[in-house]
Amino acid sequence: AQKITQTQPGMFVQEKEAVTLDCTYDTSDQSYGLFWYKQPSSGEMIFLIYQGSYDEQNATEGRYSLNFQKARKSANLVISASQLGDSAMYFCAMREGGGGFKTIFGAGTRLFVKA
Amino acid sequence: DSGVTQTPKHLITATGQRVTLRCSPRSGDLSVYWYQQSLDQGLQFLIQYYNGEERAKGNILERFSAQQFPDLHSELNLSSLELGDSALYFCASSDVLAGLRTDTQYFGPGTRLTVL
Repeated sequence: AQKITQTQPGMFVQEKEAVTLDCTYDTSDQSYGLFWYKQPSSGEMIFLIYQGSYDEQNATEGRYSLNFQKARKSANLVISASQLGDSAMYFCAMREGGGGFKTIFGAGTRLFVKA
Repeated sequence: DSGVTQTPKHLITATGQRVTLRCSPRSGDLSVYWYQQSLDQGLQFLIQYYNGEERAKGNILERFSAQQFPDLHSELNLSSLELGDSALYFCASSDVLAGLRTDTQYFGPGTRLTVL
């Protein structure tokens, strides 16, 4: 069965440092998509980055990069040069293939950026 | 601003009542998704519509129903409300054909439902 695991309920990082948020997944599909979303305290869900299962290069979007290790089934989010505004909840998600196009989300990691 | 709009922003109602949540997708997006986010269950996929037709169903209760109209806006109907239905309900939309697995979903601001 499809599953997303985020093992870090909360993390602290010093401003301007890099931080890695862990995500592991389980699927029997060969073709799937992996996503990261940010949810600030205001509540909206903000799309950050996408990685396709067949993409050979790790995805990057500005200060966000996705460390995709297919054999280990991990899709960790790396945020470089953390800013105070990065303090938020971060969700890893996977898009299911096959006949149903559900997206499942992990439990999330709350990131605190310290000044 | 994602371009997805949801109304109302907040809704307070009593147990046993029925409410309707409304979502307008981004211009040009044909797919609409509904999610429920509660403290104990996390973010749960409820249902997806593509161009007016239901395409995928998640953990949606029988008391809940949804539809997508010809103008592509969608409504989520919640009936016989219980205390446990209190949650943040998100709508998301995407612009890629439903046949592909890689479409990015853009979320609306959510409707916070409180059942008293």
